[in-house]
Amino acid sequence: QKEVEQNSGPLSVPEGAIASLNCTYSDRGSQSFFWYRQYSGKSPELIMSIYSNGDKEDGRFTAQLNKASQYVSLLIRDSQPSDSATYLCARDRGQNFVFGPGTRLSVLP
Amino acid sequence: SQTIHQWPATLVQPVGSPLSLECTVEGTSNPNLYWYRQAAGRGLQLLFYSVGIGQISSEVPQNLSASRPQDRQFILSSKKLLLSDSGFYLCAWREGLAEAFFGQGTRLTVV
Repeated sequence: QKEVEQNSGPLSVPEGAIASLNCTYSDRGSQSFFWYRQYSGKSPELIMSIYSNGDKEDGRFTAQLNKASQYVSLLIRDSQPSDSATYLCARDRGQNFVFGPGTRLSVLP
Repeated sequence: SQTIHQWPATLVQPVGSPLSLECTVEGTSNPNLYWYRQAAGRGLQLLFYSVGIGQISSEVPQNLSASRPQDRQFILSSKKLLLSDSGFYLCAWREGLAEAFFGQGTRLTVV
């Protein structure tokens, strides 16, 4: 079982819709989870971190963590074409991170 | 505020040539530092990380090495590049167990 799993996509949503990105992980000991956005040819940029069960909202983004189910998700409300990118889920592993393979999101005008 | 510098942005090197990529961080002390590689269309592969000067942990045995000669400097090297070393190299820093922040990356093409 891979440490962090994501559906590679592409996930296509119309402009203005809610995009839902999902991530599962295998290590129950993980405490910290992160979502990054990566535009083609660019480096990853942090969207949000989440450490506790439940929801965390920041603008149009909401991260959801369920440690019992080993599941973390990212919701993007009112999706815009500029949100089209690859979204990387990551969890901590001691001093370093484990990244998922990423989900490619395409927001259609 | 903290900033991370990584250079060069792009590099084309012949097979068998040496490599040196440098990363520096400003505005923080004793950060954890990381080197990742991303092959085209693939995920991030952790190559090396460092929790302090002279302390290097290798995640994947390969043709590369890393060094941390100063607190906020992290260097990725190779004595002889292979074609398979081509990719997008990313340096990142982290304070403790908080989020990691990435540099702009170096796109390396080995020809």
